[in-house]
Amino acid sequence: DAKTTQPNSMESNEEEPVHLPCNHSTISGTDYIHWYRQLPSQGPEYVIHGLTSNVNNRMASLAIAEDRKSSTLILHRATLRDAAVYYCILRAKYYGNNRLAFGKGNQVVVIP
Amino acid sequence: GAGVSQSPSNKVTEKGKDVELRCDPISGHTALYWYRQSLGQGLEFLIYFQGNSAPDKSGLPSDRFSAERTGGSVSTLTIQRTQQEDSAVYLCASSLLTSGRNEQFFGPGTRLTVL
Repeated sequence: DAKTTQPNSMESNEEEPVHLPCNHSTISGTDYIHWYRQLPSQGPEYVIHGLTSNVNNRMASLAIAEDRKSSTLILHRATLRDAAVYYCILRAKYYGNNRLAFGKGNQVVVIP
Repeated sequence: GAGVSQSPSNKVTEKGKDVELRCDPISGHTALYWYRQSLGQGLEFLIYFQGNSAPDKSGLPSDRFSAERTGGSVSTLTIQRTQQEDSAVYLCASSLLTSGRNEQFFGPGTRLTVL
């Protein structure tokens, strides 16, 4: 599995935007970039994914660098409920290898 | 609607005993995954089932671990002769395979403690 690198932890003030970086310099042309988050004492939940273009959904936005070697998850307005571990994961585009390779993730702390 | 459910939510066992952990995936999901998460760590892939294909067992840490999926639905993860290092949260996920999203829906996990 191609490797991703994230900060161990970040702090953000409530109601401010949060930018979570992820480096994936060994990404292949067929790898999707997936983001999951894990709230305390829960299983992970899907946040967003993308391939080449920037993506937006109700939870977040995903900005992908032009060379695809890095990406940034953007939470537009952090709330206390966004405090979680955020995982940046690469997933191959083809069937047959659908497991997710979770790293240690980025622990986001939201300060009231 | 019903999500992925797992049972038991907590399991305490003695070293050397066998345990069975159950996962009920979302109805209609063809893919089922088992992961485990040790304290303060990320998730570790264990095994993956897809339809009638042979499961991908490449993540199972030893031959004490096995899993089956009956009728393409419920799955059971069995750990024989448990060891203290098996203590972890065991998470199950299911998904509908698509070319891109392949969103995995996770259950709440089973916290296993081996004394």
